Amino acid sequence: GAGVSQTPSNKVTEKGKYVELRCDPISGHTALYWYRQSLGQGPEFLIYFQGTGAADDSGLPNDRFFAVRPEGSVSTLKIQRTERGDSAVYLCASSLTPKYTGELFFGEGSRLTVL
Amino acid sequence: DQQVKQNSPSLSVQEGRISILNCDYTNSMFDYFLWYKKYPAEGPTFLISISSIKDKNEDGRFTVFLNKSAKHLSLHIVPSQPGDSAVYFCAASDNSGNTPLVFGKGTRLSVIA
Repeated sequence: GAGVSQTPSNKVTEKGKYVELRCDPISGHTALYWYRQSLGQGPEFLIYFQGTGAADDSGLPNDRFFAVRPEGSVSTLKIQRTERGDSAVYLCASSLTPKYTGELFFGEGSRLTVL
Repeated sequence: DQQVKQNSPSLSVQEGRISILNCDYTNSMFDYFLWYKKYPAEGPTFLISISSIKDKNEDGRFTVFLNKSAKHLSLHIVPSQPGDSAVYFCAASDNSGNTPLVFGKGTRLSVIA
């Protein structure tokens, strides 16, 4: 489809394991965002890419979280040594315009459950 | 500290009536506001926005009102339809483009036929 695609849609892992979540943005969208939505909360900003570079990673909660976008398209969010508190829906969004202006187009999210 | 607050976790409205969803914000730097709608197992989708230079923006059945002095905005849906049943998120940023969107916790709207 033409929308933002996220895989996997569901991921169950054990505490301490490493996970990768993938986002394929809308073709031509240079801005890419990761948000995290915990139960009962709204989406919380994690990181923003403009092209290949992370323009703002101020929302990453700690150094166990890392994201890359090596070719300016697909992005991978990486979580090391997962903890139960990391359980949430991880949302990816892309936008045609840079720097938080304009409409964000969200994917369906990757639901991460850490046992 | 929640910069964008949606104090009603849920709202139930009869089909055909008006739905009013409220949102308050604390950051006086916010000057661009959006509403997103989310169905279960789907990502949020953009619904309507308003810049602080306006106090009202209308798009079909959806109207957003902004009261800057009260730091309050509201989304009106009239007439409400069963397909409007979803979680509605209020979001804000400063239009300079220097800050990411900040979302409220959402209000679950149920429109009863």
